Amino acid sequence: KQEVTQIPAALSVPEGENLVLNCSFTDSAIYNLQWFRQDPGKGLTSLLLIQSSQREQTSGRLNASLDKSSGRSTLYIAASQPGDSATYLCAVISISNFGNEKLTFGTGTRLTIIP
Amino acid sequence: EAGVAQSPRYKIIEKRQSVAFWCNPISGHATLYWYQQILGQGPKLLIQFQNNGVVDDSQLPKDRFSAERLKGVDSTLKIQPAKLEDSAVYLCASSLEGLAATGELFFGEGSRLTVL
Repeated sequence: KQEVTQIPAALSVPEGENLVLNCSFTDSAIYNLQWFRQDPGKGLTSLLLIQSSQREQTSGRLNASLDKSSGRSTLYIAASQPGDSATYLCAVISISNFGNEKLTFGTGTRLTIIP
Repeated sequence: EAGVAQSPRYKIIEKRQSVAFWCNPISGHATLYWYQQILGQGPKLLIQFQNNGVVDDSQLPKDRFSAERLKGVDSTLKIQPAKLEDSAVYLCASSLEGLAATGELFFGEGSRLTVL
């Protein structure tokens, strides 16, 4: 059974700092990995999608890396801004016991950027 | 392009009552998902539809939860009777193609249920 863990559960950093969020998964047989952002009371917004054959993806100030063999992914946020404050979730796509694609989420890291 | 629509946004009921949530996915998206997100946890898949067929409902508490997607477009999720532990946000999501491909998952804003 795939399990996804995100550490730390919460993180506060001053504005302008670079930061790294961590995601680990137990089963390396994944198709791809997605990072999502969730604002309070809102749904999830996809930030980056990394295919299993890729090692990283970049979008603006965000860079996500994937190391399948070690079961780890990181989300790097450069020059953090107060608007980056949100909960960040990672999710891995693998094949379930029923043969369908299944998305398994981590518990998230709640990020607060201090102005 | 319109996003995934969900209603109602908020619902408060007493235990043993029933509730229904509605979802309209992005036009053309064949796959529809219902997730349950309890406070402080990541979303947990309840049921996945491909068009109007169920692909995975292994984590749906079938004694009290039901879901349908009759015409392969919009979907309803029903809880009857509700328990205190059903208090959560119910998220609907849709995807155009398989997640293992380049498909991404698009979420609605969720329906927050409070059971008293």
